[in-house]
Amino acid sequence: DGGITQSPKYLFRKEGQNVTLSCEQNLNHDAMYWYRQDPGQGLRLIYYSQIVNDFQKGDIAEGYSVSREKKESFPLTVTSAQKNPTAFYLCASSPFGVENSPLHFGNGTRLTVT
Amino acid sequence: AQSVTQPDIHITVSEGASLELRCNYSYGATPYLFWYVQSPGQGLQLLLKYFSGDTLVQGIKGFEAEFKRSQSSFNLRKPSVHWSDAAEYFCAVGANSNDYKLSFGAGTTVTVRA
Repeated sequence: DGGITQSPKYLFRKEGQNVTLSCEQNLNHDAMYWYRQDPGQGLRLIYYSQIVNDFQKGDIAEGYSVSREKKESFPLTVTSAQKNPTAFYLCASSPFGVENSPLHFGNGTRLTVT
Repeated sequence: AQSVTQPDIHITVSEGASLELRCNYSYGATPYLFWYVQSPGQGLQLLLKYFSGDTLVQGIKGFEAEFKRSQSSFNLRKPSVHWSDAAEYFCAVGANSNDYKLSFGAGTTVTVRA
């Protein structure tokens, strides 16, 4: 079955360490997105990529970095510069250029930084 | 930029009773509107979407939503709630552009009592 795989489901890190969250999709979608979810705040866009080797900052990109070397993969690095990294992170994808297509979501990674 | 408000943080409803979740959006042109549902610790699943045409849209799991331009609203309804409908519900709005970025509301948590 096609879908989006996020790993790991739970991630624990010490403050000051960078950490990379994995997102892989086999839906053949061009566009991929990273959202951060905090209680009572809904989802906020971190980064998005419409094609390979290109990506744009979302609303809360500070302290994060991404790469898009392959169509199927869009890893997110949470750097030590991110002041409040503990959150639930969701990866999504959509077929870019296809009008009216909604986002497909992975099951998320819960990151806890202590 | 577009934005979404979900006025109700938490709603409790009895099993078998009707449910209505409110969503108000802000966007200058005709928006793309979505409702997603999220079970605890999971990603988001699309319930329904509106782009144009009939203002009453049907979705999965017996949900429907009505677009009212005059009220800038897109409320979600279900005539008879099942215990499995307990979850968090997110309204989202997309601009009429080709970047497919969505703005999400803060979410409404639905509790179903027996």
